[in-house]
Amino acid sequence: DTEVTQTPKHLVMGMTNKKSLKCEQHMGHRAMYWYKQKAKKPPELMFVYSYEKLSINESVPSRFSPECPNSSLLNLHLHALQPEDSALYLCASSQGPNSEQYFGPGTRLTVT
Amino acid sequence: GQNIDQPTEMTATEGAIVQINCTYQTSGFNGLFWYQQHAGEAPTFLSYNVLDGLEEKGRFSSFLSRSKGYSYLLLKELQMKDSASYLCASGMDSNYQLIWGAGTKLIIKP
Repeated sequence: DTEVTQTPKHLVMGMTNKKSLKCEQHMGHRAMYWYKQKAKKPPELMFVYSYEKLSINESVPSRFSPECPNSSLLNLHLHALQPEDSALYLCASSQGPNSEQYFGPGTRLTVT
Repeated sequence: GQNIDQPTEMTATEGAIVQINCTYQTSGFNGLFWYQQHAGEAPTFLSYNVLDGLEEKGRFSSFLSRSKGYSYLLLKELQMKDSASYLCASGMDSNYQLIWGAGTKLIIKP
């Protein structure tokens, strides 16, 4: 099973809303990632969790708050977003560093 | 600095062969990944090369030359469903981060 699941598939939120994106994998991977992807651009790394601990934070604004409740789950809490935050948000997992990353289908986020 | 270059767009004919090149200049290089991404979908892992040479997986093959900082993805017997963006990405040291190329949009014509 090489599946990473993400919910919701689509999300429209206002700038004052609070919402959460969810990601789950059951491949026993120890690393989980959040990426942001704009149209016609490569994925842009936001956060990496390794063994449930935040390993990398790519200077992401505090209006994005990651959480890793356990080794299979990853959340991204959103608060007071800006219209420029509208993008495809991708979750991925891997066995470890320098291993292939498996991506979930993504959440298409629109901030109005 | 860290830099990966690949062509922006390529066009090929159904049934033909196409080679997508990727050149990189990355410190602590530790392997080269290729991903396929259909419009509006997530990237899908295709291949990983860490040693020089050719790796073949069905219709897709990937090549790496570490001394030249060069890789290519070869797609044979092209099908319409191969129309997608192809991204190369460089692994670094023992690091979770990848350096991504901008992607090559491949258009397949009948």
